[in-house]
Amino acid sequence: AQTVTQSQPEMSVQEAETVTLSCTYDTSESDYYLFWYKQPPSRQMILVIRQEAYKQQNATENRFSVNFQKAAKSFSLKISDSQLGDAAMYFCAYTGYGNNNDMRFGAGTRLTVKP
Amino acid sequence: ETGVTQTPRHLVMGMTNKKSLKCEQHLGHNAMYWYKQSAKKPLELMFVYNFKEQTENNSVPSRFSPECPNSSHLFLHLHTLQPEDSALYLCASSQEGRWQGKNIQYFGAGTRLSVL
Repeated sequence: AQTVTQSQPEMSVQEAETVTLSCTYDTSESDYYLFWYKQPPSRQMILVIRQEAYKQQNATENRFSVNFQKAAKSFSLKISDSQLGDAAMYFCAYTGYGNNNDMRFGAGTRLTVKP
Repeated sequence: ETGVTQTPRHLVMGMTNKKSLKCEQHLGHNAMYWYKQSAKKPLELMFVYNFKEQTENNSVPSRFSPECPNSSHLFLHLHTLQPEDSALYLCASSQEGRWQGKNIQYFGAGTRLSVL
């Protein structure tokens, strides 16, 4: 079974600086999708970024970018120019490429942004 | 606001009560999901409905009973729960329930459930 591991339960960053959140996963599949979701105190999970495994290029969304290392099964999220509104729980998630694959989540990393 | 609304936001119930959680989506999606989020644990998928048909039941105890009367509404009926069932229950929807990598899930804000 596929598993997703987030080894950092908590992280903190100074406002305007850069932080990287780690995620590793285990799979025997060659094609799959990876996601980072953000859950602010309002509790609503919001998709931050998505990466398709067959694409070599790392996905980016404004201040958010990923470092996707397929061979190492690593999928880290980099947040540049951190803002107070970035404070939240961040969840890494995996789903297979087929039509009957459930999304599997990591346990989350709580990010604190210091003013 | 992602177009997925859950009510109530908070619920406290005794172990002998019967209550229901409601989820409504305004996105025109055909698939809806229930997840359980416990502290320091990954989200656990409970149920999936695709075009109103249940396609997934991840060994969820029968004290949780889902109902999907149409593609826009999803309920979770609760009966004789245990204290360990206390958690945040999240609802999500997507265009369809298959191909979950291509069909992004949109989440509600959850119902915080406390079982006394």
